[in-house]
Amino acid sequence: AQSVTQLDSHVSVSEGTPVLLRCNYSSSYSPSLFWYVQHPNKGLQLLLKYTSAATLVKGINGFEAEFKKSETSFHLTKPSAHMSDAAEYFCVVSVSGGFKTIFGAGTRLFVKA
Amino acid sequence: GAVVSQHPSWVICKSGTSVKIECRSLDFQATTMFWYRQFPKQSLMLMATSNEGSKATYEQGVEKDKFLINHASLTLSTLTVTSAHPEDSSFYICSAQEGSGRPYEQYFGPGTRLTVT
Repeated sequence: AQSVTQLDSHVSVSEGTPVLLRCNYSSSYSPSLFWYVQHPNKGLQLLLKYTSAATLVKGINGFEAEFKKSETSFHLTKPSAHMSDAAEYFCVVSVSGGFKTIFGAGTRLFVKA
Repeated sequence: GAVVSQHPSWVICKSGTSVKIECRSLDFQATTMFWYRQFPKQSLMLMATSNEGSKATYEQGVEKDKFLINHASLTLSTLTVTSAHPEDSSFYICSAQEGSGRPYEQYFGPGTRLTVT
């Protein structure tokens, strides 16, 4: 069975400080992993994806994530938070060529000035 | 590239009426489209998966007679909420998937806010 757990429902950081959003997954197959961002009342925007190539994946807006198979983790990081990063972030696992996609519960990121 | 649109972006309807939401892939052919529902401050819940020219596959607990999905072409899928009730009020998001490449990435539409009064 596949599952994805986002370990924090809320994360609050100050502007200019690092961001860490944690995600653990469970999959019987080789998964594809994604991070999406959703701003209020908007659709989802892909930040980055893991495609079984490089384990350190760089995405848009300075975000990156590292796939750690031994820890079954795919944590999202950014060296320096910006006010515009405040949003909801979803970790997603996809198997079977994308026909089974599971969303994490989401992590709300707050950025303080 | 890989743009998905939804129409309308928001809709208000009266209880008992039906509402149709369109999902279009603008610059690619989508062999598979997905419909999700999102309650406030919650994650996305997959409602159904549709492949062009065939019947949609609904997730457990989703009423197929209430949420009618049609995927008539490789660029258009529609979700019709029949006999809508206030509890159907939600944010509906579609996504589309190309049939080539791996992994098959989903491209999401901007969502449709449905309010049933």
